[in-house]
Amino acid sequence: EVQLVESGGGLVQPGRSLKLSCVASGFTFSNYGMNWIRQAPGKGLEWVAYISSGSSYIYYAETVKGRFTISRDNAKNTLYLQMTSLRSEDTALYYCARDHGYNRHWFAYWGQGTLVTVSS
Amino acid sequence: VQMTQSPSYLAASPGESVSISCKASKSISNNLAWYQEKPGKANKLLIHSGSTLQSGTPSRFSGSGSGTDFTLTIRSLESEDFAVYYCQQYNEYPLTFGSGTKLEIK
Repeated sequence: EVQLVESGGGLVQPGRSLKLSCVASGFTFSNYGMNWIRQAPGKGLEWVAYISSGSSYIYYAETVKGRFTISRDNAKNTLYLQMTSLRSEDTALYYCARDHGYNRHWFAYWGQGTLVTVSS
Repeated sequence: VQMTQSPSYLAASPGESVSISCKASKSISNNLAWYQEKPGKANKLLIHSGSTLQSGTPSRFSGSGSGTDFTLTIRSLESEDFAVYYCQQYNEYPLTFGSGTKLEIK
């Protein structure tokens, strides 16, 4: 069974940093691209970042480019999101989601999310 | 690619049929997925490639369209279908979602 478990969320002050993790199991992690997707309270879904299976290709939403860094450790089956210069508008539930593969970027598997709150 | 989803809110009764529209700001071929969001549950992929049902999606769900105009139709609504629905284009980066449609019981 595919499982994605996010962690690392919490309350952080504006301008500070936070690192999220997503541990994957139930599939060969190193074979799949991975994504971070977020949802602000009461709002819709916003795709944040993508990393290919071997980390060769990385893409970001304009809203986080230059502040967030996606990375992965295939030996640990873990996806990361390093978030710096956090703003109040980054407050959201952050999900990791697995790419379908074969250059098809839909998400059949999602985690339950980890909540990031940016506030002083 | 901007995804315009409508309506944002829909009220219907069990047994009825409903349709949700998703329009892309430019052609995305058939690179569109639909998701269902319910409280306390992981988001569920319903349809990909515009009209292909994901394994486990009930046949009362259907997707249609290509290019810029897409529709999710749910026939004979059941109580478990009352949820929020999102479309998502994966034709190009940045990947983008529609703003969501909340389907409530009338």
